[in-house]
Amino acid sequence: DSGVTQTPKHLITATGQRVTLRCSPRSGDLSVYWYQQSLDQGLQFLIQYYNGEERAKGNILERFSAQQFPDLHSELNLSSLELGDSALYFCASSAGVANVLTFGAGSRLTVL
Amino acid sequence: EDQVTQSPEALRLQEGESSSLNCSYTVSGLRGLFWYRQDPGKGPEFLFTLYSAGEEKEKERLKATLTKKESFLHITAPKPEDSATYLCAVQADTGRRALTFGSGTRLQVQP
Repeated sequence: DSGVTQTPKHLITATGQRVTLRCSPRSGDLSVYWYQQSLDQGLQFLIQYYNGEERAKGNILERFSAQQFPDLHSELNLSSLELGDSALYFCASSAGVANVLTFGAGSRLTVL
Repeated sequence: EDQVTQSPEALRLQEGESSSLNCSYTVSGLRGLFWYRQDPGKGPEFLFTLYSAGEEKEKERLKATLTKKESFLHITAPKPEDSATYLCAVQADTGRRALTFGSGTRLQVQP
């Protein structure tokens, strides 16, 4: 157990729907990162939060949004889902902005 | 834009047959190069961080080295439990500090 908790582990939904993925970072970690992993593209950085504030954006679609709450947990919201959004979504946390990232077990999203 | 290229894409070894995985990178300024191990259906697990050319780090049968353009992960006398995907990532020293990952090398060690 890495200490980073992601829920749900698996999610099956239909095109056009909206889902929320949740992440609780390791105790004491202030930074949360979201990554998407699909078969053809590897791990792609989506977005990073540090102590509640957005710090960096990667290849995140406009249909996707995220936030980090005062208790430091984070949520990734995916809307108007398309078949191509099917992927593993990983959350990672670190103690500071540039420390080693510790990954959760991921949330597997299947869009039918 | 930071880029990481890993080779080979897949590697099949016999137990005890040593080999190396390559990670070539381009980054404006390197803060750190990271190696992770990922088992199927699980999150990446941290192995090493290298910060400067010439640096080496070891853990059990794994040894990571770094030059100014690439990193190698040497696997000595591998065992079947070393089978996994090995991911390389770079972190720039300015701007965005998130890791940029390569596509990984899928290693299979046969008994």
